[in-house]
Amino acid sequence: SAVISQKPSRDICQRGTSLTIQCQVDSQVTMMFWYRQQPGQSLTLIATANQGSEATYESGFVIDKFPISRPNLTFSTLTVSNMSPEDSSIYLCSVEEGSGYEQYFGPGTRLTVT
Amino acid sequence: QKEVEQNSGPLSVPEGAIASLNCTYSDRGSQSFFWYRQYSGKSPELIMFIYSNGDKEDGRFTAQLNKASQYVSLLIRDSQPSDSATYLCAVNIVGATSNTDKLIFGTGTRLQVFP
Repeated sequence: SAVISQKPSRDICQRGTSLTIQCQVDSQVTMMFWYRQQPGQSLTLIATANQGSEATYESGFVIDKFPISRPNLTFSTLTVSNMSPEDSSIYLCSVEEGSGYEQYFGPGTRLTVT
Repeated sequence: QKEVEQNSGPLSVPEGAIASLNCTYSDRGSQSFFWYRQYSGKSPELIMFIYSNGDKEDGRFTAQLNKASQYVSLLIRDSQPSDSATYLCAVNIVGATSNTDKLIFGTGTRLQVFP
């Protein structure tokens, strides 16, 4: 499977600021996804990011709060804007590989908002 | 609302026993089913996927799928303390376009294997 890296691995940010998380893949992939995992919870899909098209956001997530870029087939960014303590979470990117919708995850970014 | 349900556990089994993890899903159109293992503080790791009714074996792991009952399970034979983790069931939801295909995750079952 693809090797996926994320930057930063963790950060502590003040409320009202923004953080951009990077996701880099070592091979070209069409489908990339951004998830949030709050403490003790399961994964919640934020948006799907396909190269060459606008990201598709899930209910409850909006582009103004979570803008996503997908400039090429190996890279994507997720920005968490105007942060509040409720945004404290682990943010994960994943890629789809194989013929059956298998997804593989990056190591995650642990965000704490104070 | 498409849902995936799992017992949160913890499921405690002794070393060497068979651990049985269960998952039900609501979308009858789902065709792909996945089991992820997540150690504390780590990201989910794909360990099994299954598309057809019946059993699929990979080493100590067996995934079982029953589409009529909308039920998928994971058996772990000869359980080891290193298998202690949260196991997430995920189901593919096919959207109207490829941009809306997605995985829906259950809340996970915490497995504890004690020596």
